[in-house]
Amino acid sequence: KQEVTQIPAALSVPEGENLVLNCSFTDSAIYNLQWFRQDPGKGLTSLLLIQSSQREQTSGRLNASLDKSSGRSTLYIAASQPGDSATYLCALPGAGNQFYFGTGTSLTVIP
Amino acid sequence: DVKVTQSSRYLVKRTGEKVFLECVQDMDHENMFWYRQDPGLGLRLIYFSYDVKMKEKGDIPEGYSVSREKKERFSLILESASTNQTSMYLCASSLVGSDSLYGYTFGSGTRLTVV
Repeated sequence: KQEVTQIPAALSVPEGENLVLNCSFTDSAIYNLQWFRQDPGKGLTSLLLIQSSQREQTSGRLNASLDKSSGRSTLYIAASQPGDSATYLCALPGAGNQFYFGTGTSLTVIP
Repeated sequence: DVKVTQSSRYLVKRTGEKVFLECVQDMDHENMFWYRQDPGLGLRLIYFSYDVKMKEKGDIPEGYSVSREKKERFSLILESASTNQTSMYLCASSLVGSDSLYGYTFGSGTRLTVV
């Protein structure tokens, strides 16, 4: 079974700072990896999906990287804003088309 | 814009009631999933379905059942609600195959409180 770990569990940064969120996984035989954002009390919004053949995906101020051999992915957020405050989760597909989720990193951007 | 729609954002039910949570997707996805999310425990898979009338147990199926009579609709049923089923319930869908280009799409969640 795929084990997914996200460190840190919580992060607080001043506005404008660049930051990196980490996701580690135990089984490197993956097809893709997806990053989500979750606002309090709401569902998950997909941010980026990286295919196993890719090393990076970018969307605006967000950049996600994937290193299958080391079992790691990072989500880089440039010039953070208070509106970026949310919980960020990574997810990877496993057997039976289900996905395995990390427990998330709760980000607070202080104005 | 493609969507996964959960019929209720908030529900309050009494212990012992039969509860139906509905999820509809308009993307013609084969796979549909029900998760529950609790503080400190993350997302846990309850059931998933990879085709009409097909279902598979996830990690925590006890106390739940599901129904998928049509491709676009996946229902989660709490046969006799209990207070330990108070949680956020999230529905998701995806195209068949773990190598999907599109990953998961989630609904906005249903916050269920059992009193």
